[in-house]
Amino acid sequence: GAVVSQHPSRVICKSGTSVKIECRSLDFQATTMFWYRQFPKQSLMLMATSNEGSKATYEQGVEKDKFLINHASLTLSTLTVTSAHPEDSSFYICSARDPSGGPPSEQFFGPGTRLTVL
Amino acid sequence: GENVEQHPSTLSVQEGDSAVIKCTYSDSASNYFPWYKQELGKGPQLIIDIRSNVGEKKDQRIAVTLNKTAKHFSLHITETQPEDSAVYFCAASYGGGADGLTFGKGTHLIIQP
Repeated sequence: GAVVSQHPSRVICKSGTSVKIECRSLDFQATTMFWYRQFPKQSLMLMATSNEGSKATYEQGVEKDKFLINHASLTLSTLTVTSAHPEDSSFYICSARDPSGGPPSEQFFGPGTRLTVL
Repeated sequence: GENVEQHPSTLSVQEGDSAVIKCTYSDSASNYFPWYKQELGKGPQLIIDIRSNVGEKKDQRIAVTLNKTAKHFSLHITETQPEDSAVYFCAASYGGGADGLTFGKGTHLIIQP
């Protein structure tokens, strides 16, 4: 299957600072990427859909000004958590669709980024 | 929006026995149902998926069944092995591709040696 990477894998930051997480599709071009958040021992919750060259679509209850998404190329989407607070500490996971091969609905997930806000 | 219920939350089986995890969904427009395996600290890995035009799909020890009328689908793992221990998530989406996945709450599968 296709490979999706995330960077960094783990980040610790102070409250009030901003953190950027990168999601890359390594061997395919992804017009659509998705960002999920997973709190400990809970399920994955879709935060937003990232579309190359256009604005992201956010799920209800997700603050677009706090979670900035940029999908500037077909292989890279970034999620910036602005003015992070301890309650933003979570596991952030991205996924991407490969429109060129296989079922159009299959999503390939990255390894996740563990964010800890002190 | 879509709502996916998953049961049980924890499942403990003896090595070599079968495990069954069940999910129900609410949106009749959903037509794509993947199952993911997640190990601690890692991203989810797709293990099998099924579309709504198919009732059953099998891949070696893993099978998925779908009852579109009742809006439920199940994961079956036969001849379980210790490496099958993980958290399993079912999910649903409208398979047009623009939609993200709605996940169930997960099942912690424990294989007892």
